[in-house]
Amino acid sequence: DADVTQTPRNRITKTGKRIMLECSQTKGHDRMYWYRQDPGLGLRLIYYSFDVKDINKGEISDGYSVSRQAQAKFSLSLESAIPNQTALYFCATSDPREGVYGYTFGSGTRLTVV
Amino acid sequence: AQSVTQPDIHITVSEGASLELRCNYSYGATPYLFWYVQSPGQGLQLLLKYFSGDTLVQGIKGFEAEFKRSQSSFNLRKPSVHWSDAAEYFCAVGASSGGSNYKLTFGKGTLLTVNP
Repeated sequence: DADVTQTPRNRITKTGKRIMLECSQTKGHDRMYWYRQDPGLGLRLIYYSFDVKDINKGEISDGYSVSRQAQAKFSLSLESAIPNQTALYFCATSDPREGVYGYTFGSGTRLTVV
Repeated sequence: AQSVTQPDIHITVSEGASLELRCNYSYGATPYLFWYVQSPGQGLQLLLKYFSGDTLVQGIKGFEAEFKRSQSSFNLRKPSVHWSDAAEYFCAVGASSGGSNYKLTFGKGTLLTVNP
């Protein structure tokens, strides 16, 4: 099994629908992150969590919310999806003992909002 | 705040030719620097990383990168490109947001096409 698992891998949803992207990890890392990737824009940080009780906004958090249900689970929600949220979403984890070296990325969720 | 610039959006090289992908960063202290590769339909794979020590770092798949503080650059190189190197390449800088908490900031990526 992958260290960082994202579900679903692909999703098509309609404008206005609520959708949740899930991320679970077996690394035992405290720190988890959600990024979105758009062509020509690279990866941009949406939200990050340094432990279960610590959640922080990244550079593009508008229209998104997150939930850290446990150390191993970090979910990203789109409360009312819009077409410009069509993107590839990545979850990542990191281990503070490894500093910034210890990032592990999931395989991504491709979301299409129609 | 830190930032990363990859000046080249798309580069095309012939198989067997040498490759250099450019990366410039902005950060007030000594940065952690990374190169990631993303093959079509795949996630991100770490190629190499730099924090301190020898400014020329070796990575996987025959890649290397050189840190030049005076130029705020961390360019990725490969002497001879293989068709399987066609992918998108991301430079990233890791910077502290307080204590031991770090975040990665990515460049916009360089798409590499390899011609036979």
